[in-house]
Amino acid sequence: EAGVTQFPSHSVIEKGQTVTLRCDPISGHDNLYWYRRVMGKEIKFLLHFVKESKQDESGMPNNRFLAERTGGTYSTLKVQPAELEDSGVYFCASSPSGGPPEQYFGPGTRLTVT
Amino acid sequence: DAKTTQPTSMDCAEGRAANLPCNHSTISGNEYVYWYRQIHSQGPQYIIHGLKNNETNEMASLIITEDRKSSTLILPHATLRDTAVYYCIVTAIQGAQKLVFGQGTRLTINP
Repeated sequence: EAGVTQFPSHSVIEKGQTVTLRCDPISGHDNLYWYRRVMGKEIKFLLHFVKESKQDESGMPNNRFLAERTGGTYSTLKVQPAELEDSGVYFCASSPSGGPPEQYFGPGTRLTVT
Repeated sequence: DAKTTQPTSMDCAEGRAANLPCNHSTISGNEYVYWYRQIHSQGPQYIIHGLKNNETNEMASLIITEDRKSSTLILPHATLRDTAVYYCIVTAIQGAQKLVFGQGTRLTINP
């Protein structure tokens, strides 16, 4: 069974540009999460989808970040316009519905804003 | 979510048991204890979770004290590949929940 995949693995963009990160969860997992770790900080929650609906977006830092999950399958996280402080590693995780769900993480996308 | 306290770093010899402690004195009755780890440059990896009974799987054992205020993750025969940051996370039972990561314990397995 394929795990959570993320694309790209690494992105380098200039301040003010737009970047879109993609996450493909494990097939059949209704829950999809985005997290990020900025330099020297702890891993922080960004938002949680249940199927195509945003269940919790309390961790989204500001309106430059837009997450979508059309059709309840893969998800995208767009940063527009990117700022220097957005640099870090963005992780996606998924989990099935029901029960005490462990989350399965992807390898992350390393975003560098210059 | 209840806050957890873990040592910043620990060392363990290869082949020995690694015992990682975690304090969660404010845990409530509807919260599980979860352990994840992050090996360098990879995404966090689920290890084990428990409510009040001790748990064991192919990766580790989890010992939770009777009052549930602390727990210990045990890697029975540590290998060099177990070098990672280990996170103890307390999260509610009902429904899917976001994970609140702390600083974790940086475990180094020495040859």
